[in-house]
Amino acid sequence: DGGITQSPKYLFRKEGQNVTLSCEQNLNHDAMYWYRQDPGQGLRLIYYSQIVNDFQKGDIAEGYSVSREKKESFPLTVTSAQKNPTAFYLCASSMGRGTGGYTFGSGTRLTVV
Amino acid sequence: DQQVKQNSPSLSVQEGRISILNCDYTNSMFDYFLWYKKYPAEGPTFLISISSIKDKNEDGRFTVFLNKSAKHLSLHIVPSQPGDSAVYFCAASVRGGSEKLVFGKGTKLTVNP
Repeated sequence: DGGITQSPKYLFRKEGQNVTLSCEQNLNHDAMYWYRQDPGQGLRLIYYSQIVNDFQKGDIAEGYSVSREKKESFPLTVTSAQKNPTAFYLCASSMGRGTGGYTFGSGTRLTVV
Repeated sequence: DQQVKQNSPSLSVQEGRISILNCDYTNSMFDYFLWYKKYPAEGPTFLISISSIKDKNEDGRFTVFLNKSAKHLSLHIVPSQPGDSAVYFCAASVRGGSEKLVFGKGTKLTVNP
């Protein structure tokens, strides 16, 4: 079955460390997205990519970095510059408008310890 | 500046009754609207969408209404079931080919047996 896989489901990071969250899709979607969810804040866009080797900053890109070397993969690195990294991170992909919007992964819960 | 607003953080209804979730938007460029349903610690799943050329779209127990002049849309669930208890996100997209969605903060629906 096609879908989006995020790993790991839970991740613990020490302060000052960089961590990378994985997102892989086998839906042949061109566009991929990273969102962050905090209580009461809804979904906030971190980065998105509409084509391989190209990506754009979203609303809250500071302290994060991404790469899009393959169509299937869009990893997110949470750097030590991100002041409040504890959150639920969601990856999504889309084929095009009018087709149901995004398909989301199951998320990664990142906790700074 | 919040372009998509869900002003009710929570809603509680009795099983079998109608649930009405509301969403307002400020950007007149939005022309495609979606509703997503999200359970805790999971990714959102697509529920129903509507294009700005329509004012109503139905899918089983779910109906979305769009009032462009008021920049308002609503999701009706009839009849409500306990399994509908979740957080519902309203999302909108702008013209120009961009597939980036703007999400509201969500409304937590609780359907009581």
